[in-house]
Amino acid sequence: KNEVEQSPQNLTAQEGEFITINCSYSVGISALHWLQQHPGGGIVSLFMLSSGKKKHGRLIATINIQEKHSSLHITASHPRDSAVYICAVSLFIGTDKLIFGTGTRLQVFP
Amino acid sequence: DSGVTQTPKHLITATGQRVTLRCSPRSGDLSVYWYQQSLDQGLQFLIQYYNGEERAKGNILERFSAQQFPDLHSELNLSSLELGDSALYFCASSVGGTGGTDTQYFGPGTRLTVL
Repeated sequence: KNEVEQSPQNLTAQEGEFITINCSYSVGISALHWLQQHPGGGIVSLFMLSSGKKKHGRLIATINIQEKHSSLHITASHPRDSAVYICAVSLFIGTDKLIFGTGTRLQVFP
Repeated sequence: DSGVTQTPKHLITATGQRVTLRCSPRSGDLSVYWYQQSLDQGLQFLIQYYNGEERAKGNILERFSAQQFPDLHSELNLSSLELGDSALYFCASSVGGTGGTDTQYFGPGTRLTVL
């Protein structure tokens, strides 16, 4: 079993829909990261969370440390949101190593 | 633009060869991380340097090595290349040494193809 699991693996949506991507992890962590990888391959860091909730524009990330679960929400989705969204965790023991989920491929159609 | 640069963008080489990938971190960042992204394994952490010293090691093969120079740029050396080494190699940088709780800024990647 992978230490970081994401669901769904693939997601299609119509423009304007509310989207949720889930991430569950099985290890103690110091922080959880949400990354976005565009079709061209570039990776952008969206959020780094150790508790609670963060919001940036139409993106919202939440984390529940007790349940070892995080969600990434996209409100009013747009075709430019089409990308792979990757969850990654840094381990509680203080190492700088990130462990990655396998990613969620999102396609938003006009 | 993240401010992290990587060269070259693409590299095609043959099995058994050796290549060097280069990364320049964002101005002011002391940590550099190397990641490999292959189709079957996803993103994997290889190694981290902080201010010239190796800080953390992941699933890096013995055929691979890295270093960070006094000007903070880093190089990843891959030798005795095999077909399975074909992948995207990303470099990232962050301000401090605790990358787990720092935002990491990723470079555009180097696509390595081993024929």
